[in-house]
Amino acid sequence: AQSVTQLDSQVPVFEEAPVELRCNYSSSVSVYLFWYVQYPNQGLQLLLKYLSGSTLVKGINGFEAEFNKSQTSFHLRKPSVHISDTAEYFCAVSDWTYNTDKLIFGTGTRLQVFP
Amino acid sequence: DAGVTQSPTHLIKTRGQQVTLRCSPKSGHDTVSWYQQALGQGPQFIFQYYEEEERQRGNFPDRFSGHQFPNYSSELNVNALLLGDSALYLCASSLTGDNQPQHFGDGTRLSIL
Repeated sequence: AQSVTQLDSQVPVFEEAPVELRCNYSSSVSVYLFWYVQYPNQGLQLLLKYLSGSTLVKGINGFEAEFNKSQTSFHLRKPSVHISDTAEYFCAVSDWTYNTDKLIFGTGTRLQVFP
Repeated sequence: DAGVTQSPTHLIKTRGQQVTLRCSPKSGHDTVSWYQQALGQGPQFIFQYYEEEERQRGNFPDRFSGHQFPNYSSELNVNALLLGDSALYLCASSLTGDNQPQHFGDGTRLSIL
């Protein structure tokens, strides 16, 4: 069965500093990976996705992620964070079985950006 | 272009009651998935609907049921509510097919007293 582990439940960081949110996955088949962001009292917004091709994926709001098959990781990075990046971030893997692409999510990482 | 819309935004029920949550998919999307997000947790897959049929179900009891209408909108029904059903219920829509990204609504916050 596929699963996702987000290693940090909370990541505090000062504004304009770089940040990395870690995600590891387990999968026995070809994998499709996603990062979503959730602002307070809102749903999930897709930040970026890895389907195939280049292992470095660029997303919205200056975020990027690198797919590393040997390490089974898909860490999210941003070189300089803003206060507005404070939110919950979820890593997810797509489980394509029975012609259905359900998403399996990690438990989330709370990014707190301080001035 | 309207995104995924869910109603109501908040709901308070008591144990044993029944509830219906509604979802309108993003324009052009034909597939609807429902997820339950308990406080402090990631969303968990409940089921997915396509062509008015349930395609796959997650690890949820039969108290959770759903429906998809010809216009692709969907309902999630929960019977015999338990305290543990308190959560944010998220609807996601997509185009059927491999690798189509899912777009989420803002959810319905269900509180059970």
